Amino acid sequence: TQLLEQSPQFLSIQEGENLTVYCNSSSVFSSLQWYRQEPGEGPVLLVTVVTGGEVKKLKRLTFQFGDARKDSSLHITAAQPGDTGLYLCAGVTLSGGATNKLIFGTGTLLAVQP
Amino acid sequence: ETGVTQTPRHLVMGMTNKKSLKCEQHLGHNAMYWYKQSAKKPLELMFVYNFKEQTENNSVPSRFSPECPNSSHLFLHLHTLQPEDSALYLCASSQELDPFYEQYFGPGTRLTVT
Repeated sequence: TQLLEQSPQFLSIQEGENLTVYCNSSSVFSSLQWYRQEPGEGPVLLVTVVTGGEVKKLKRLTFQFGDARKDSSLHITAAQPGDTGLYLCAGVTLSGGATNKLIFGTGTLLAVQP
Repeated sequence: ETGVTQTPRHLVMGMTNKKSLKCEQHLGHNAMYWYKQSAKKPLELMFVYNFKEQTENNSVPSRFSPECPNSSHLFLHLHTLQPEDSALYLCASSQELDPFYEQYFGPGTRLTVT
C-alpha cells in the first residue's frame, strides 16, 4: 500500500511567519499535486510538480519535488489568515495510462492567526 | 451554476433510513468520482465512473450504491448506514480518467449517521 505521510498534522502560527509542510513516502510517484481545502469547501488544486528536483512558485508559496520523486515540500512565506486551510498532497502512481491512481496524503491543517 | 455542485450540503440520517446524495458537474467532463473524507484519515476514493460506466469500486460496502445516469450527474444511494460512515462525502470530476487531468471537487455533503 502506498502511503503519503504529511507533517506536521496541525500548525497554528501568527500572521507574517514562515512555515514548511512536508509530504513523504517510500514510493516513487510520476508526479505530485498539492491542494488546499478551505472550511466547507472541496480541495482545490494549487500546483502539480512532475520532474525530480522541480521547484515551482505560486506567489508566496514554493513547492519542491524531491530528486527521487518520493517526497515534496510546501513552503509559505509571510503567512496570511487567507492561507488558513487543510493542505493535501497527492501522488500519481507509476502504473501507467488510465490505471494511474491518485493517492492522497494525511493532510496538514494550518491556522494563521491575525 | 458552474463547477461541481453537491446536494444536500448537510444530512443527518438514522441507521435505518434511505437517502441519496447528488452531484452535478457543469464542466463537460467525462470522469466522475466519489470520495470519503474522515477526520485524521487520508481522502479515500470510493467509486470512479468514466463515460457513465463504473471503472472502480474500492471495496466499498454494499450499503453505498452509486448511480451515474449520464456523464454530468452522479448519485450515491445510502441505506442501513453505520455511525462510522459519518464523514464528508466529496464528488469530483475530471476531463479524462487519467490523474494527469485535474480533478475538480464539489463542496461535499457532511453526513451524520445517528
